Amino acid sequence: QSALTQPPSASGSPGQSVTISCTGTSSDIGYYDYVSWYQLYPGKAPKLLLYEVSKRPSGVPDRFSGSKSGNTASLTVSSLQAEDEADYLCSSYGGSNNLAVFGTGTKVTVL
Amino acid sequence: QVRLQQWGAGLLKPSETLSLTCAVHGASLSDNYWSWIRQTPGKGLEWIGEINYRGGTNYRPSLKGRLTISVDTSKSQFSLSLRSVTAADTGFYYCARWCGSTCYGAFDYWGQGDLVTVSS
Repeated sequence: QSALTQPPSASGSPGQSVTISCTGTSSDIGYYDYVSWYQLYPGKAPKLLLYEVSKRPSGVPDRFSGSKSGNTASLTVSSLQAEDEADYLCSSYGGSNNLAVFGTGTKVTVL
Repeated sequence: QVRLQQWGAGLLKPSETLSLTCAVHGASLSDNYWSWIRQTPGKGLEWIGEINYRGGTNYRPSLKGRLTISVDTSKSQFSLSLRSVTAADTGFYYCARWCGSTCYGAFDYWGQGDLVTVSS
C-alpha cells in the first residue's frame, strides 16, 4: 500500500479555518472507517488528534474536526491559533499486515 | 499519565543490527498491543510491527526476515531488533501504543522518536 496523499502545506490567519485533505484508496480510507490524525512538533512525541474519522480523545479541543468521503478524509482546524502551527499527519487502518498506512504530512503555518 | 521513553544506538554501519528499546510508564503492557513505526526519507512513515504482553507479534511482511520485536514484562519494556541494516533503514524510529478497542485504528501514545543513521 502506498502512502496516503496530503498537501505539503496549508496556511491560515489566526481565527480562520484550514482544512487538510488525505487521499487514499478503496483498500484503506475507502474501506475502513478508521482514519486518525496526528499533530507533530519537532522533537516531541506525535499527539493523537482524531480517531475513527471524527472522534476526539479527551483533551483535544473541538476546534479539530474530521470527516470522510469516499477515499478522502479531511481534518479541519477552526479558529486557528498560533500553537496550531505544526505538522499534521493522517493515517488509515490498512489491515492486519499493515496496521497503519500513513499520510505524507502537511505543514500548517499560522500567518 | 502514559509515557513512552525510548532509546538505542543512533549510528550504525551497513550490515549491523539496529536495536531500540521502549519503556512504558503509566500503563500496563497487558492493556494493548505495542508497535514500532519509522519515518524514512524513501518511504515516509511506515508501521514496522507490533507485540503484545504475551510475546505475540505481527510484522510488516517486507521486514519479516530481518525483524524481531520482543517484550520484557518485568521491566515494562519492549524492543526492536532489525538485522542487516542498509542506508535505506536510516530514519526516525518511534514506539507507540495501539489504541485498541477504545480508539480503534489509532496510536494514542508515542515515544519521542530516535534518529538512526546507517552509514559506512
